[in-house]
Amino acid sequence: EVQLLESGGGLVQPGGSLRLSCAASGFTFSRDAMSWVRQAPGKGLEWVSGISSGGSSTYYADSVKGRFTISRGNSMNTLFLQMNSLRAEDTAMYYCATSKQWLVTHWGQGTLVTVSS
Amino acid sequence: EIVLTQSPGTLSLSPGERATLSCRASQSVSSSYLAWYQQKPGQAPRLLIYGVSSRATGVPDRFSGSGSGTDFTLTISRLEPEDFAVYYCQQYGSSPPPFGGGTKVEIK
Repeated sequence: EVQLLESGGGLVQPGGSLRLSCAASGFTFSRDAMSWVRQAPGKGLEWVSGISSGGSSTYYADSVKGRFTISRGNSMNTLFLQMNSLRAEDTAMYYCATSKQWLVTHWGQGTLVTVSS
Repeated sequence: EIVLTQSPGTLSLSPGERATLSCRASQSVSSSYLAWYQQKPGQAPRLLIYGVSSRATGVPDRFSGSGSGTDFTLTISRLEPEDFAVYYCQQYGSSPPPFGGGTKVEIK
């Protein structure tokens, strides 16, 4: 069974940084592309970032380009999202997800990021 | 960049009724890379349909997807109590892969 467990969310001040992690199990992590998708409170889904199976290719939504960095540790079966220069509009539940051509096949339960002073 | 518009925003129906949800793309969706997800309150979304019309593992056959080009439809043939939720479409053929704004199916 595919399991994705996010961690690292919390309350951070505007301009601050946070690093999210996602521990993956139940599938061959190194073979799958991965994504982060977020959902602001009461709002819809927004794809944030994606990374190829080997980690050599990364992709970002315009809203986070230059501020967020996605990476992965295939030996540790872990996905990361480094978030810098955080803004109030980055407040959301962040979901880790397996992806095939950016189709989200499995979702974690999410970690909540709140950006507020 | 493709923009997906879902309608209606809210659909009020009774159990047993048929639900028809629309997803319109601002430009043609390549290679039928159109998916639908279901999200219940307090839960992560769940993949329902991919490739326009293929059901994901474990999805009941009362859910069906159709369409091509820029117009797509998710149909729930007979609503069960557990189907009342928010549904999102997504184009996933290119980056960034946008989601639609969602349609809430609520109990009338």
